[in-house]
Amino acid sequence: EVQLVQSGAEVKKPGESLKISCKGSGYMSSNYWIGWVRQMSGKGLEWMGIIYARDSDTKYSPSFEGQVLISVDKSINTAYLQWGSLKASDTAMYYCARRGYSSGDSFDIWGQGTMVTVSS
Amino acid sequence: QSALTQPPSASGTPGQRVTISCSGSTSNIGTNSVYWYQQLPGMAPKLLVYRNNQRPSGVPDRFSVSKSGTSASLAISGLRSEDEADYYCAAWDDSLNGHVAFGGGTKVTVL
Repeated sequence: EVQLVQSGAEVKKPGESLKISCKGSGYMSSNYWIGWVRQMSGKGLEWMGIIYARDSDTKYSPSFEGQVLISVDKSINTAYLQWGSLKASDTAMYYCARRGYSSGDSFDIWGQGTMVTVSS
Repeated sequence: QSALTQPPSASGTPGQRVTISCSGSTSNIGTNSVYWYQQLPGMAPKLLVYRNNQRPSGVPDRFSVSKSGTSASLAISGLRSEDEADYYCAAWDDSLNGHVAFGGGTKVTVL
């Protein structure tokens, strides 16, 4: 089964660092782009950025560039999203999603989401 | 503010047809394919329709899309209670390399 499995919910304090993960299985992960999407409570989907697993080519939304770091470890089919210093406004659900070539470059497979709560 | 514009809500009774619009620009919808995602309450988004009415396995043909110029729409025919969800349109945007534009989402309520 093709799937993306994300790491579990996190509760952090402002100023702390965090790295969440997204592990692909059931397909050749290194041949795909993996994107990250933020969804704040009761709000819509926001594009954060995307990374190509084979060579780590990364593109960020201007809204998130400099705020987060997207990386990948192709040896273990895992993409990451990390923060150096969290803010309360980073509280949200974060989804990873695979860009699927056979589905017209849509995001055909989604992770289950990682809830990040930042509170003092 | 989302790059693609959707109405915040739509509703219908079971069996009705509901249409959701999505308005963009020449750099996104005007140039690239439009995708639609369904997000059921408390769940991750799921791909619903892509590239000219292609649907992933398991998605019924009650969901159909159309596109004209810089606008697109999703139609749900034979509305069912399980269609109550948030629906998002999306498209790659050529104005920023590798950037995805999402609509703000439309909440569909089955009355």
